[in-house]
Amino acid sequence: RKEVEQDPGPFNVPEGATVAFNCTYSNSASQSFFWYRQDCRKEPKLLMSVYSSGNEDGRFTAQLNRASQYISLLIRDSKLSDSATYLCVVKAGTASKLTFGTGTRLQVTL
Amino acid sequence: EPEVTQTPSHQVTQMGQEVILRCVPISNHLYFYWYRQILGQKVEFLVSFYNNEISEKSEIFDDQFSVERPDGSNFTLKIRSTKLEDSAMYFCASNGQLDQPQHFGDGTRLSIL
Repeated sequence: RKEVEQDPGPFNVPEGATVAFNCTYSNSASQSFFWYRQDCRKEPKLLMSVYSSGNEDGRFTAQLNRASQYISLLIRDSKLSDSATYLCVVKAGTASKLTFGTGTRLQVTL
Repeated sequence: EPEVTQTPSHQVTQMGQEVILRCVPISNHLYFYWYRQILGQKVEFLVSFYNNEISEKSEIFDDQFSVERPDGSNFTLKIRSTKLEDSAMYFCASNGQLDQPQHFGDGTRLSIL
């Protein structure tokens, strides 16, 4: 089983749509969770940390289910500029390294 | 906003040669990392560095690789005897505390011919 698993997509959605991405992780010792976005051939950029109670940042909402080892990201009112690959990232509590999923590609169209 | 900077942006090297990739982490950060991303694949952890020593490394980070903090600002990754399969984007990252998000530089694209 992959350490962090994501649907690679692509998800093609019209502007203004709501889209949701899911991610599962295998290491039950994972303590920190993040969503990063990556534009083509660019560096990963932190989108948001994911907290146990769920958290929201503008149009973005992240949820964590520790029992199911499942993380989600919801994007409301999609913009053309949201087109990117969304990376689910986890970190075990005692480790320093980040473990990345392969990413889910989002394409927002007119 | 402070950022991680990496040089060069693109490095082309003959197979078998040595390369040094350079990074300047965010100035008050204490933890430094190298990751790589082969084209079309996921980002993979190579090594973490804290207090002038390696704190964690992956299976990829074998004797071919080494890291160094030669002065108070630079953090380098050296790859000896480069192979074709070392071609990838190499990202440096840093954070101030272990549980804080890591901030990535814009990468060095390494092409081995």
